[in-house]
Amino acid sequence: DVKVTQSSRYLVKRTGEKVFLECVQDMDHENMFWYRQDPGLGLRLIYFSYDVKMKEKGDIPEGYSVSREKKERFSLILESASTNQTSMYLCASSGAPLGEAQYFGPGTRLLVL
Amino acid sequence: QQQVKQSPQSLIVQKGGISIINCAYENTAFDYFPWYQQFPGKGPALLIAIRPDVSEKKEGRFTISFNKSAKQFSLHIMDSQPGDSATYFCAAGVSGYSTLTFGKGTMLLVSP
Repeated sequence: DVKVTQSSRYLVKRTGEKVFLECVQDMDHENMFWYRQDPGLGLRLIYFSYDVKMKEKGDIPEGYSVSREKKERFSLILESASTNQTSMYLCASSGAPLGEAQYFGPGTRLLVL
Repeated sequence: QQQVKQSPQSLIVQKGGISIINCAYENTAFDYFPWYQQFPGKGPALLIAIRPDVSEKKEGRFTISFNKSAKQFSLHIMDSQPGDSATYFCAAGVSGYSTLTFGKGTMLLVSP
C-alpha cells in the first residue's frame, strides 16, 4: 500500500510566522503535490514536483514555496503566514507519468491567528 | 478547458438506494478519470478509475459510467449504505502531460 504521511495533523500559528509542512512518501514516486482544501472550493493545487529539486507552480502558488531535496520528501513553506492561509493542506504523490492516480496523505489542518 | 464540472454539490439518499454523481469535462485530451472518496478529517482515497477505451467499470457496489461523445462520466453507488456517507471527487488527467484536474466535490449523506 502507498503511504503518504504528513508531519502534523493540526497546527496553530501566528500571523507572520514562517510555517513548514512536511510530507513523506514511501513508494519511490516521482511526483509529489501540495493542495489546499477549502469548503466549496474543492482541491486547489499549490505546487507540484516531478523530480528532486524540480518544482512547478500550480493554480495558487502565491504566498507559498516548496522544497524537494530528497525524492521521498516534499515540504511546503509559508514564508509569512496570513489568516487567509487557514485551511486544510493535503500532500499527494504519484508514480510516473503525470496525470495518473495520486495518493493522498491525511492532511494538516492549519489555523493562522 | 481544463475544468471538470461536478454535480450535485450535495446528495441525500436513503439506505439501499442508488447514489449518482455526475462529472462533465471539455478537454478531449483527458484520458484518465479517477474518483476519490473522502471521509471527514481524512485525505481523499482513490476509489475507482476508468480510461476512455471502456464505457463502464465496476468494483463491488461502485460503477463508473463513461460517455466519451457527451464528455461525461458518472459514479453510481448501488445499495448505498450509511458508511458510504462522504465527499466524492471526480478528476481527470492527461497521462504524461498534466496533473489531475478535480471537480469541486459532492457531499453524500446516506440516511439509515
